[in-house]
Amino acid sequence: DGGITQSPKYLFRKEGQNVTLSCEQNLNHDAMYWYRQDPGQGLRLIYYSQIVNDFQKGDIAEGYSVSREKKESFPLTVTSAQKNPTAFYLCASRGQSTYNEQFFGPGTRLTVL
Amino acid sequence: GENVEQHPSTLSVQEGDSAVIKCTYSDSASNYFPWYKQELGKGSQLIIDIRSNVGEKKDQRIAVTLNKTAKHFSLHITETQPEDSAVYFCAATSDYKLSFGAGTTVTVRA
Repeated sequence: DGGITQSPKYLFRKEGQNVTLSCEQNLNHDAMYWYRQDPGQGLRLIYYSQIVNDFQKGDIAEGYSVSREKKESFPLTVTSAQKNPTAFYLCASRGQSTYNEQFFGPGTRLTVL
Repeated sequence: GENVEQHPSTLSVQEGDSAVIKCTYSDSASNYFPWYKQELGKGSQLIIDIRSNVGEKKDQRIAVTLNKTAKHFSLHITETQPEDSAVYFCAATSDYKLSFGAGTTVTVRA
């Protein structure tokens, strides 16, 4: 079964703690993306990676960090520097042969208490 | 960068009626326009897309139209059903970064 998985589905953390969201894909896609979704707003790009060991900041990268050590994995760390971390986080991937189409994971809802 | 605006933000339709969502974009270089459907508690799924060399595309009850001159594109859902109730997002891109609209919450009334 090919696809993108994100875990966990729901995540609760205390204010001031770093938290890492998992994103794994077995689609053999080169590019991966992290988006944040807030009520009444479209998806906003946090970070993206077009190839292993390389990543770039998106539109709202402050307070977040990523790594891309393996093609299949693109974890996102929400640091304590992120002022308003409570949101729905979506991971996506894109293959070379799929033109611009991005495939999304089911998302992780992070709540910071 | 690209700026995508989407209207309306909410849409309520009677089952069987049509629903239309409109988006405008700012970057004339954008050449790919996908539409995503997000159901409660789920991630976004691509439902239809259109490239700039095509003016219209249909897939059963769903169609998308593109007007490159005016820089707007629209999603049309005909014969709406309760399972069409969801949040719909439009997006535009000319490369590897998608710019999304703010979303439209569609409610189909039985």
